[in-house]
Amino acid sequence: QKEVEQNSGPLSVPEGAIASLNCTYSDRVSQSFFWYRQYSGKSPELIMSIYSNGDKEDGRFTAQLNKASQYVSLLIRDSQPSDSATYLCAVGAGNNRKLIWGLGTSLAVNP
Amino acid sequence: NAGVTQTPKFQVLKTGQSMTLQCAQDMNHNSMYWYRQDPGMGLRLIYYSASEGTTDKGEVPNGYNVSRLNKREFSLRLESAAPSQTSVYFCAGDRGLTDTQYFGPGTRLTVL
Repeated sequence: QKEVEQNSGPLSVPEGAIASLNCTYSDRVSQSFFWYRQYSGKSPELIMSIYSNGDKEDGRFTAQLNKASQYVSLLIRDSQPSDSATYLCAVGAGNNRKLIWGLGTSLAVNP
Repeated sequence: NAGVTQTPKFQVLKTGQSMTLQCAQDMNHNSMYWYRQDPGMGLRLIYYSASEGTTDKGEVPNGYNVSRLNKREFSLRLESAAPSQTSVYFCAGDRGLTDTQYFGPGTRLTVL
């Protein structure tokens, strides 16, 4: 069974620190990788997508993909209290349009 | 543009009642999805529609039916609601393979 695993947390970091979120996946043919943020009581919203090995940066966010080791990570620099949320990792494989979702990591940024 | 919209936002049903959750998008999405989200269970796919005129079962389809009415609309029906169907339901859409899924605001359903 295809799986996506994340540490449930909570991950607690002080304001201004770097938060590091990790995700591993089991399906080697996976081709698309997404990080979503979900605030309590709200719907998931896309933070980053990444398709190739290496780093992809967007503002304070950097996604890192290593297909050989089957992991994808999200770094949040200069963490702010507004970053406190649950971060969901999603992985898409091959011709299958369905995404496989992790259970999410809860992040708390303390002022 | 409204994006992905869902109605209703909240609903309380009694066991055995039926209802339809509505989803519409104006983002030209080819594929649409219905998920449920429960504490500790994450997002679970109920049904999806890869394109207009097609629907397929996801991970947890029992007790649900769907209709892809046209390219814009994708509805989820509970024929005989059960307490186990108490959940938050999200509709999502994307334009195709490897594309980003965009979510509606969700429907919070309680079955008593």
